[in-house]
Amino acid sequence: SVLTQPPSVSAAPGQKVTISCSGGSSTIGNNPVSWYRHLPGTSPKILIYDNDKRPSGVPDRFSGSKSVTSATLVIAGLQTGDEADYYCGTWDSGLDSGWVFGGGTKLTVL
Amino acid sequence: QVHLVESGGGVVQPGRSLRLSCVVSGVTLSKYGIHWVRQTPGKGLEWVAVISYDGSNIHYVDSVKGRFTISRDNSKNTVFLQMTSLRHEDTAVYFCAKDRGRVIVTASDFDSWGQGTLVTVSS
Repeated sequence: SVLTQPPSVSAAPGQKVTISCSGGSSTIGNNPVSWYRHLPGTSPKILIYDNDKRPSGVPDRFSGSKSVTSATLVIAGLQTGDEADYYCGTWDSGLDSGWVFGGGTKLTVL
Repeated sequence: QVHLVESGGGVVQPGRSLRLSCVVSGVTLSKYGIHWVRQTPGKGLEWVAVISYDGSNIHYVDSVKGRFTISRDNSKNTVFLQMTSLRHEDTAVYFCAKDRGRVIVTASDFDSWGQGTLVTVSS
């Protein structure tokens, strides 16, 4: 993937987890990042847009940030229901313009 | 409330064609770009194509260029994905997703998604 995410992360209920997303100058370096949660068999759901904004209805346990060519999703106060796959995404303004997703990170709540 | 409903999936032989539809309700479709995103079995999300609010700006992922065509009929609140020369690797659940913006130049993000339609390419 053009955007690099760790394949998996894990933490205990109540703890905090960080998911990284690394890109380049044509992707994260020049465009806002969004984050999505996906449980296979269901529709993906947006968690963060414009790097750090939460849509209405998304708890403030979810936060996002961006620095140069990397972005981070932080989930605090982990709950067992947070187990899912998490994807970062952004526009790629390079030669072949288009949207790109990270490879996805599977979150396990121990 | 925005609602997107995909249809048109099914089982198709390699080399054949299929047309997916995405009907959008609860919003003025002519104000927004629409994407197609797929998830292949056991793999992550892959963006496939986007069409701007008026159809003037279209982009595809490299693997479908020349084979897939995205189009829209705002009068029918519907976006289409015409898929030709289908390959085994096109087997996936296909989602349509609404962009937050018009996609005049770049896409913003996907703020609403459909439930997906399964396409299986198999002989």
